[in-house]
Amino acid sequence: SQTIHQWPATLVQPVGSPLSLECTVEGTSNPNLYWYRQAAGRGLQLLFYSVGIGQISSEVPQNLSASRPQDRQFILSSKKLLLSDSGFYLCAWRATGGGTDTQYFGPGTRLTVL
Amino acid sequence: AQSVSQHNHHVILSEAASLELGCNYSYGGTVNLFWYVQYPGQHLQLLLKYFSGDPLVKGIKGFEAEFIKSKFSFNLRKPSVQWSDTAEYFCAVNAQIYNQGGKLIFGQGTELSVKP
Repeated sequence: SQTIHQWPATLVQPVGSPLSLECTVEGTSNPNLYWYRQAAGRGLQLLFYSVGIGQISSEVPQNLSASRPQDRQFILSSKKLLLSDSGFYLCAWRATGGGTDTQYFGPGTRLTVL
Repeated sequence: AQSVSQHNHHVILSEAASLELGCNYSYGGTVNLFWYVQYPGQHLQLLLKYFSGDPLVKGIKGFEAEFIKSKFSFNLRKPSVQWSDTAEYFCAVNAQIYNQGGKLIFGQGTELSVKP
């Protein structure tokens, strides 16, 4: 079965510091991968998605970037964090085939920028 | 642009009350529709989904949702809620024709609090 991991689970960083959040998927190959940010009262906002190694689509211009160095690894980064980067970051993978098209989410990383 | 609107931000119910959470979307073509739930301290997980066929779909834990195409709605229902249903509920849409990469558009979420 497929599982999705994210780390760290929580992170407190000062403004201006760099960021690296990691997401890995097991049990599937070449999945579509997604980074979302969840802010209180605002639902989930899609930040980036990737359909394959080295392929990144950005949905919202901002202080963040994403990379996909390996088939089942998706990384969210920033060179200098802003206060507004605080939030709950979720990674998801897309299951397709057999009549389904569904995204499944990881446990998330709660980022606080001080 | 596609959008999803959830009418209630916070709903408070007593146990055994009936639940209906509203969801409307703005895209007029073929859509896949989802409800996700996030229990306190847990992952966001799939509650139910609609792709085609019977517009009344049943999900886990006694939840169901009805797709009404003419109203662009996909409301979530449960006849009798339990304290354990306390969670945040998200409606999401995947609009097929223009959707590259299977992107989901989420509503703002509805926080449900069930009083024992």
